[in-house]
Amino acid sequence: AQSVTQLGSHVSVSEGALVLLRCNYSSSVPPYLFWYVQYPNQGLQLLLKYTSAATLVKGINGFEAEFKKSETSFHLTKPSAHMSDAAEYFCAVSEGNTDKLIFGTGTRLQVFP
Amino acid sequence: NAGVTQTPKFQVLKTGQSMTLQCAQDMNHNSMYWYRQDPGMGLRLIYYSASEGTTDKGEVPNGYNVSRLNKREFSLRLESAAPSQTSVYFCASNLRWGSTGELFFGEGSRLTVL
Repeated sequence: AQSVTQLGSHVSVSEGALVLLRCNYSSSVPPYLFWYVQYPNQGLQLLLKYTSAATLVKGINGFEAEFKKSETSFHLTKPSAHMSDAAEYFCAVSEGNTDKLIFGTGTRLQVFP
Repeated sequence: NAGVTQTPKFQVLKTGQSMTLQCAQDMNHNSMYWYRQDPGMGLRLIYYSASEGTTDKGEVPNGYNVSRLNKREFSLRLESAAPSQTSVYFCASNLRWGSTGELFFGEGSRLTVL
Protein backbone atom coordinates (compact mmCIF):
# COMPACT_ATOMS: atom_id res chain seq x y z
CA ALA A 1 0.00 0.00 0.00
CA GLN A 2 1.15 3.48 -0.74
CA SER A 3 2.00 5.87 2.05
CA VAL A 4 3.59 9.23 2.74
CA THR A 5 5.82 10.17 5.64
CA GLN A 6 6.13 13.74 6.84
CA LEU A 7 9.24 14.32 8.91
CA GLY A 8 8.65 16.74 11.77
CA SER A 9 5.21 17.35 13.21
CA HIS A 10 6.17 20.95 14.06
CA VAL A 11 8.44 23.36 12.23
CA SER A 12 9.21 26.88 13.45
CA VAL A 13 10.83 29.60 11.35
CA SER A 14 11.34 33.32 11.59
CA GLU A 15 9.51 35.64 9.25
CA GLY A 16 11.59 35.97 6.08
CA ALA A 17 13.40 32.65 6.57
CA LEU A 18 13.32 29.66 4.26
CA VAL A 19 10.48 27.20 4.78
CA LEU A 20 11.25 23.51 4.18
CA LEU A 21 8.63 20.86 4.92
CA ARG A 22 9.63 17.29 4.20
CA CYS A 23 7.60 14.53 2.59
CA ASN A 24 8.69 11.09 1.43
CA TYR A 25 6.46 8.66 -0.40
CA SER A 26 6.49 4.94 -0.91
CA SER A 27 5.44 3.85 -4.34
CA SER A 28 6.74 1.46 -6.96
CA VAL A 29 5.53 3.70 -9.76
CA PRO A 30 5.56 7.50 -10.02
CA PRO A 31 2.45 8.59 -8.14
CA TYR A 32 0.34 11.71 -8.11
CA LEU A 33 1.51 13.81 -5.15
CA PHE A 34 -0.12 16.75 -3.45
CA TRP A 35 0.43 19.36 -0.79
CA TYR A 36 -2.59 20.73 1.02
CA VAL A 37 -2.75 23.52 3.59
CA GLN A 38 -5.19 23.84 6.49
CA TYR A 39 -5.63 27.18 8.22
CA PRO A 40 -7.13 27.17 11.73
CA ASN A 41 -10.76 26.02 11.85
CA GLN A 42 -10.91 25.59 8.10
CA GLY A 43 -10.93 22.76 5.62
CA LEU A 44 -7.94 21.79 3.51
CA GLN A 45 -7.11 23.57 0.28
CA LEU A 46 -4.78 22.50 -2.48
CA LEU A 47 -1.36 24.18 -2.58
CA LEU A 48 0.10 22.26 -5.51
CA LYS A 49 0.15 18.87 -7.19
CA TYR A 50 2.59 16.71 -9.14
CA THR A 51 1.25 14.70 -12.03
CA SER A 52 4.51 13.86 -13.86
CA ALA A 53 4.43 16.85 -16.21
CA ALA A 54 7.38 18.62 -14.51
CA THR A 55 9.52 17.75 -11.50
CA LEU A 56 9.45 21.29 -10.08
CA VAL A 57 5.90 22.27 -9.27
CA LYS A 58 4.85 25.80 -8.40
CA GLY A 59 1.83 26.39 -6.25
CA ILE A 60 -0.09 29.20 -4.67
CA ASN A 61 1.28 31.73 -2.17
CA GLY A 62 4.89 31.34 -3.37
CA PHE A 63 5.24 27.66 -2.44
CA GLU A 64 6.90 25.08 -4.65
CA ALA A 65 7.86 21.43 -4.41
CA GLU A 66 10.35 19.27 -6.26
CA PHE A 67 9.69 15.65 -7.14
CA LYS A 68 12.86 13.58 -6.72
CA LYS A 69 12.36 10.01 -7.79
CA SER A 70 15.82 8.88 -6.63
CA GLU A 71 15.03 10.08 -3.11
CA THR A 72 11.29 9.30 -3.22
CA SER A 73 10.76 12.81 -1.89
CA PHE A 74 8.41 15.70 -2.55
CA HIS A 75 9.56 18.43 -0.17
CA LEU A 76 7.70 21.74 0.05
CA THR A 77 9.66 25.00 0.10
CA LYS A 78 9.12 28.73 0.21
CA PRO A 79 12.07 31.15 0.06
CA SER A 80 10.72 33.66 2.56
CA ALA A 81 8.15 32.86 5.24
CA HIS A 82 5.29 35.21 5.99
CA MET A 83 3.23 35.34 9.15
CA SER A 84 0.19 34.32 7.12
CA ASP A 85 1.89 31.01 6.24
CA ALA A 86 1.28 29.69 9.76
CA ALA A 87 -0.92 26.65 9.24
CA GLU A 88 -0.85 22.87 9.06
CA TYR A 89 0.48 21.31 5.87
CA PHE A 90 -0.37 17.86 4.58
CA CYS A 91 1.39 15.82 1.96
CA ALA A 92 -0.78 13.28 0.14
CA VAL A 93 -0.45 10.59 -2.51
CA SER A 94 -3.14 9.11 -4.69
CA GLU A 95 -3.80 5.42 -4.23
CA GLY A 96 -2.98 3.77 -7.51
CA ASN A 97 -4.75 5.57 -10.32
CA THR A 98 -7.70 6.50 -8.15
CA ASP A 99 -8.81 9.69 -6.48
CA LYS A 100 -8.48 8.13 -3.03
CA LEU A 101 -5.86 10.26 -1.33
CA ILE A 102 -3.62 8.94 1.42
CA PHE A 103 -2.55 11.78 3.68
CA GLY A 104 0.52 12.19 5.82
CA THR A 105 0.22 13.06 9.49
CA GLY A 106 0.76 16.76 8.87
CA THR A 107 3.34 19.39 9.79
CA ARG A 108 2.34 22.45 11.76
CA LEU A 109 4.28 25.52 10.65
CA GLN A 110 4.80 28.36 13.08
CA VAL A 111 6.21 31.68 11.91
CA PHE A 112 7.76 34.02 14.44
CA PRO A 113 8.20 37.77 13.89
CA ASN B 1 -19.51 30.86 -3.61
CA ALA B 2 -20.54 28.28 -1.01
CA GLY B 3 -18.46 25.33 -2.31
CA VAL B 4 -18.80 22.41 0.13
CA THR B 5 -21.14 22.99 3.07
CA GLN B 6 -21.25 20.75 6.13
CA THR B 7 -23.79 20.69 8.94
CA PRO B 8 -23.64 20.71 11.87
CA LYS B 9 -20.30 22.34 12.65
CA PHE B 10 -20.28 21.08 16.22
CA GLN B 11 -22.09 18.21 17.94
CA VAL B 12 -21.86 16.44 21.27
CA LEU B 13 -23.34 12.97 21.56
CA LYS B 14 -23.64 10.38 24.26
CA THR B 15 -22.38 6.85 23.62
CA GLY B 16 -25.00 4.89 21.72
CA GLN B 17 -26.79 7.87 20.20
CA SER B 18 -27.13 8.22 16.45
CA MET B 19 -26.69 11.19 14.19
CA THR B 20 -26.21 12.18 10.58
CA LEU B 21 -23.66 14.61 9.21
CA GLN B 22 -24.87 16.42 6.13
CA CYS B 23 -22.76 17.57 3.20
CA ALA B 24 -23.77 19.48 0.10
CA GLN B 25 -21.71 20.88 -2.78
CA ASP B 26 -22.80 23.41 -5.36
CA MET B 27 -19.94 22.93 -7.85
CA ASN B 28 -21.66 20.22 -9.94
CA HIS B 29 -19.00 17.74 -8.85
CA ASN B 30 -19.48 14.05 -9.44
CA SER B 31 -17.31 12.53 -6.69
CA MET B 32 -17.70 13.07 -2.95
CA TYR B 33 -15.79 11.85 0.09
CA TRP B 34 -15.91 11.66 3.87
CA TYR B 35 -12.67 11.87 5.85
CA ARG B 36 -11.97 11.95 9.55
CA GLN B 37 -9.08 13.89 11.05
CA ASP B 38 -7.45 12.84 14.30
CA PRO B 39 -4.39 14.36 15.99
CA GLY B 40 -1.16 12.81 14.79
CA MET B 41 -2.95 10.65 12.21
CA GLY B 42 -3.72 13.03 9.38
CA LEU B 43 -6.90 12.42 7.40
CA ARG B 44 -8.32 8.97 6.81
CA LEU B 45 -10.93 8.11 4.22
CA ILE B 46 -14.17 6.71 5.61
CA TYR B 47 -16.38 6.36 2.51
CA TYR B 48 -16.50 7.82 -0.94
CA SER B 49 -18.93 8.12 -3.81
CA ALA B 50 -17.27 8.12 -7.21
CA SER B 51 -20.51 9.18 -8.87
CA GLU B 52 -24.18 9.59 -8.08
CA GLY B 53 -25.68 6.23 -7.16
CA THR B 54 -22.44 4.59 -6.03
CA THR B 55 -20.70 4.40 -2.66
CA ASP B 56 -17.61 2.51 -1.54
CA LYS B 57 -15.69 1.88 1.64
CA GLY B 58 -12.49 3.69 2.39
CA GLU B 59 -9.82 2.96 4.94
CA VAL B 60 -11.94 3.22 8.13
CA PRO B 61 -15.62 2.47 7.34
CA ASN B 62 -16.58 0.52 10.47
CA GLY B 63 -19.32 2.18 12.49
CA TYR B 64 -20.45 4.44 9.64
CA ASN B 65 -22.97 4.40 6.81
CA VAL B 66 -23.37 6.82 3.93
CA SER B 67 -26.03 7.90 1.50
CA ARG B 68 -25.49 9.68 -1.78
CA LEU B 69 -28.88 11.35 -1.81
CA ASN B 70 -28.37 13.04 -5.17
CA LYS B 71 -25.51 14.61 -7.08
CA ARG B 72 -25.20 17.46 -4.57
CA GLU B 73 -25.58 15.68 -1.24
CA PHE B 74 -23.61 12.99 0.58
CA SER B 75 -24.48 12.19 4.19
CA LEU B 76 -22.58 10.25 6.85
CA ARG B 77 -24.48 8.41 9.57
CA LEU B 78 -23.30 7.11 12.90
CA GLU B 79 -25.85 4.52 14.04
CA SER B 80 -24.48 3.99 17.55
CA ALA B 81 -21.81 6.51 18.42
CA ALA B 82 -18.71 5.44 20.34
CA PRO B 83 -16.02 7.57 22.02
CA SER B 84 -13.55 6.36 19.38
CA GLN B 85 -15.59 8.30 16.83
CA THR B 86 -14.73 11.59 18.49
CA SER B 87 -13.06 13.41 15.62
CA VAL B 88 -13.29 16.19 13.09
CA TYR B 89 -15.12 15.06 9.98
CA PHE B 90 -14.50 16.56 6.57
CA CYS B 91 -16.56 16.23 3.46
CA ALA B 92 -14.84 16.78 0.12
CA SER B 93 -15.71 16.71 -3.53
CA ASN B 94 -13.98 16.72 -6.90
CA LEU B 95 -15.08 17.23 -10.44
CA ARG B 96 -15.06 13.62 -11.52
CA TRP B 97 -13.47 10.33 -10.63
CA GLY B 98 -10.03 10.21 -12.18
CA SER B 99 -9.41 13.97 -12.18
CA THR B 100 -6.12 13.50 -10.29
CA GLY B 101 -7.41 14.09 -6.82
CA GLU B 102 -7.86 17.85 -6.51
CA LEU B 103 -10.31 17.75 -3.66
CA PHE B 104 -12.37 20.66 -2.37
CA PHE B 105 -13.06 20.44 1.35
CA GLY B 106 -15.76 21.71 3.64
CA GLU B 107 -14.90 23.45 6.90
CA GLY B 108 -15.39 20.36 9.00
CA SER B 109 -17.78 19.02 11.63
CA ARG B 110 -16.36 18.58 15.11
CA LEU B 111 -17.99 15.62 16.87
CA THR B 112 -17.50 14.68 20.52
CA VAL B 113 -18.86 11.40 21.86
CA LEU B 114 -19.04 11.17 25.66
